[in-house]
Amino acid sequence: GENVEQHPSTLSVQEGDSAVIKCTYSDSASNYFPWYKQELGKRPQLIIDIRSNVGEKKDQRIAVTLNKTAKHFSLHITETQPEDSAVYFCAASKSTGNQFYFGTGTSLTVIP
Amino acid sequence: KAGVTQTPRYLIKTRGQQVTLSCSPISGHRSVSWYQQTPGQGLQFLFEYFSETQRNKGNFPGRFSGRQFSNSRSEMNVSTLELGDSALYLCASSLIAGNTGELFFGEGSRLTVL
Repeated sequence: GENVEQHPSTLSVQEGDSAVIKCTYSDSASNYFPWYKQELGKRPQLIIDIRSNVGEKKDQRIAVTLNKTAKHFSLHITETQPEDSAVYFCAASKSTGNQFYFGTGTSLTVIP
Repeated sequence: KAGVTQTPRYLIKTRGQQVTLSCSPISGHRSVSWYQQTPGQGLQFLFEYFSETQRNKGNFPGRFSGRQFSNSRSEMNVSTLELGDSALYLCASSLIAGNTGELFFGEGSRLTVL
């Protein structure tokens, strides 16, 4: 089955700096890679996603890149703000239904 | 539009007991999936239902089971509870049948096994 690894597990940055979270996956059949943000005590929410036919996607301060050959994808947050502090999860899925393999999460702290 | 609703939100059980958790998806969503969230392990896929049929199942023992009703509401059951079953159980619904749609999560049911 699919195995998704996520690094780092914790990340602290100064407000205004950039943050990068990296994930690798093992199954070359995976073709959809979403990122979820979970604030303390709240439900995970989708922040951005990318499909295997795209190399990069950007949405304001958030961007995701995908390297299919190396089987890794990354989340980039620029100009970080305190409200970006949360746990971020990457995930991978194949076209066989809504079965997602999640990474173990990255706890991001933005220091004001 | 109401979000995904899970009940109960919190529950405490003892080893050997069984538990049933309920999930009401967003209106119109026919795909419901369940995840177990534990510290350090992230979210682990339990199973997914679509139109009352289990489409996918994760690597969990047979003590974990689920079902979906004709109104898309879903339940999951854990029998013969073990200490390691203590976790936050998240339900997610999706409008899209395949993997190209957003998962909308509920707030979860936090299970503590003593």
